[in-house]
Amino acid sequence: EPEVTQTPSHQVTQMGQEVILRCVPISNHLYFYWYRQILGQKVEFLVSFYNNEISEKSEIFDDQFSVERPDGSNFTLKIRSTKLEDSAMYFCASRSDSPNSPLHFGNGTRLTVT
Amino acid sequence: KNQVEQSPQSLIILEGKNCTLQCNYTVSPFSNLRWYKQDTGRGPVSLTIMTFSENTKSNGRYTATLDADTKQSSLHITASQLSDSASYICVVSAYNDYKLSFGAGTTVTVRA
Repeated sequence: EPEVTQTPSHQVTQMGQEVILRCVPISNHLYFYWYRQILGQKVEFLVSFYNNEISEKSEIFDDQFSVERPDGSNFTLKIRSTKLEDSAMYFCASRSDSPNSPLHFGNGTRLTVT
Repeated sequence: KNQVEQSPQSLIILEGKNCTLQCNYTVSPFSNLRWYKQDTGRGPVSLTIMTFSENTKSNGRYTATLDADTKQSSLHITASQLSDSASYICVVSAYNDYKLSFGAGTTVTVRA
């Protein structure tokens, strides 16, 4: 069964550094998402992406965050200047264009900011 | 504000027993409600999706119910297995809303 893949599985970075989290959504999916989950807390929406542009973003997704779909397969989340509070699991998800289709999540990237 | 509340926060059950998890939501206008299973360190995996017109849906030993009038849902696990140990997350979608509202999850521990 096709799946969403994320790399790296774990990223450690120093405060103030830039990080890029990478995702390869399922190939025929059209909607892409980034979520984060701080340890012990609920999953939080960051951003949704459709037709090569952001369709929705949360208040968490400030100017430090950006997303790109640089080619036909990758979907990236960039954090320009990481803060300690950015430490979390970051999940990429994708779905097809059917409105009630399930979200398929990747296994996440654990970001640790020191 | 769209909210999703789950209860209990955690529960422990013996292998073979049944359990029921609850989800209350205030998301409006309602589009659909999803239950996800999240194993430790993994991404959530979809179990069921229900729209306004559906009041029950099963996926193997998992049965979800929905009462759109009272804005409540439940997830029933029948004959639990050790592999059912996970966090179960209720996720509600508002119409034309890409964000999805996540509950905090119920952590289920199945013991032999």
